[in-house]
Amino acid sequence: QVQLVESGGGVVQPGGSLRLSCAASGFTFSTSAMHWVRQAPGGGLDWVAFIWFDGSDRYYADSVKGRFTISRDNSKNTLYLQMNSLRSEDTGVYYCAKGGGYRALYFQYWGQGTLVIVSS
Amino acid sequence: DIVLTQSPATLSLSPGERATLSCRATQSVSSYLAWYQQKPGQAPRLLIYDASNRATGIPARFSGSGSGTDFTLTISSLEPEDFAVYYCQQRSNWPPLITFGQGTRLDIK
Repeated sequence: QVQLVESGGGVVQPGGSLRLSCAASGFTFSTSAMHWVRQAPGGGLDWVAFIWFDGSDRYYADSVKGRFTISRDNSKNTLYLQMNSLRSEDTGVYYCAKGGGYRALYFQYWGQGTLVIVSS
Repeated sequence: DIVLTQSPATLSLSPGERATLSCRATQSVSSYLAWYQQKPGQAPRLLIYDASNRATGIPARFSGSGSGTDFTLTISSLEPEDFAVYYCQQRSNWPPLITFGQGTRLDIK
């Protein structure tokens, strides 16, 4: 079955950096587009970033553009999110999700999430 | 950006009743709309995509309808496990601009 397991969350000071990872199994990762989606504590869902199956296309929400970088290593079946210049408003649970549907712009499967807290 | 507004914010119903949840977009999204269910402490789960297609393994009591700017998620007869928060999501054409509604909480009455 499909499994997505996020890691790398934690507490970081404003202005700091963090790198999240998402280990994928149970499907062909190398032919699947992937996303990061976040959820602030007690809040709604917020799309963060998207990467095409081969890494050739990457797109970001305006709120993270220039600060976050999505990447992947298909040889390791792993998705990454490098987060720099972190702000308090970046606090939340970060989910990786497998893209589904036309152009993979729905979220077909989700991991359980990793918590990022940006606080001094 | 396309804004999605869900109503009502909270819906209180009893098991066996019919639930009707609404999602309205500020401009047409054609049929490019999905619905997700999220239970406390869990990740969201895809229920419906392209407005009316059930995702794999989703029971037939869940159905979606609508196009353009007005969409509905209907749960025909509520089961105890259906009480959760429901989100709608739109996907624009390329490049992707993806937004979610603020959610509808479905509570047991």
